[in-house]
Amino acid sequence: KAGVTQTPRYLIKTRGQQVTLSCSPISGHRSVSWYQQTPGQGLQFLFEYFSETQRNKGNFPGRFSGRQFSNSRSEMNVSTLELGDSALYLCASSRPGLAELTLKTDTQYFGPGTRLTVL
Amino acid sequence: KQEVTQIPAALSVPEGENLVLNCSFTDSAIYNLQWFRQDPGKGLTSLLLIQSSQREQTSGRLNASLDKSSGRSTLYIAASQPGDSATYLCAVPYSGAGSYQLTFGKGTKLSVIP
Repeated sequence: KAGVTQTPRYLIKTRGQQVTLSCSPISGHRSVSWYQQTPGQGLQFLFEYFSETQRNKGNFPGRFSGRQFSNSRSEMNVSTLELGDSALYLCASSRPGLAELTLKTDTQYFGPGTRLTVL
Repeated sequence: KQEVTQIPAALSVPEGENLVLNCSFTDSAIYNLQWFRQDPGKGLTSLLLIQSSQREQTSGRLNASLDKSSGRSTLYIAASQPGDSATYLCAVPYSGAGSYQLTFGKGTKLSVIP
């Protein structure tokens, strides 16, 4: 069974540009979450999508947005890039079903990440 | 708001030693607690998941314990090997408004010296 895939693996952008990152979840998984990881803040939750709907969003500015397609693939977009957006962006997927039923035993499966460098 | 803390931030041990990594959380109303491993520049690999009703979970040389009442979990690694060198993160899930997200500690960076 293929794991979570993320493209591209590395990106270099300059301040003010925008970027789109892509995530393909494990087959059958309908929940996709995005996390930002930096040395200073650690792993922080960005947002979660389930069945093409954003269910939850972390404390990030509106420059960070995302979407999910009918095949559960997800993209996140960062507009007007700032130096502080340099980070490892991780995508994770989890099984379908009601969150309350799967929470006790389920985990999220993480992709390898996209390393974004903003110059 | 749930907060997760991991101590120490870094640990260096000689090969063969047994070691313990610590994780504490502020809100004891958790569904489970998970331990992940992250190699440099890579994604996260799930190691162990302990349900809230469990006290321990074992996988090979790894043993994780959970004490909900005190808000603590430990990851015990037996007979450490250089291949165990990585950052270890603990995380607890949050469920609100039908969503699912993990709150992570900042990790313990482990170096096992040959």
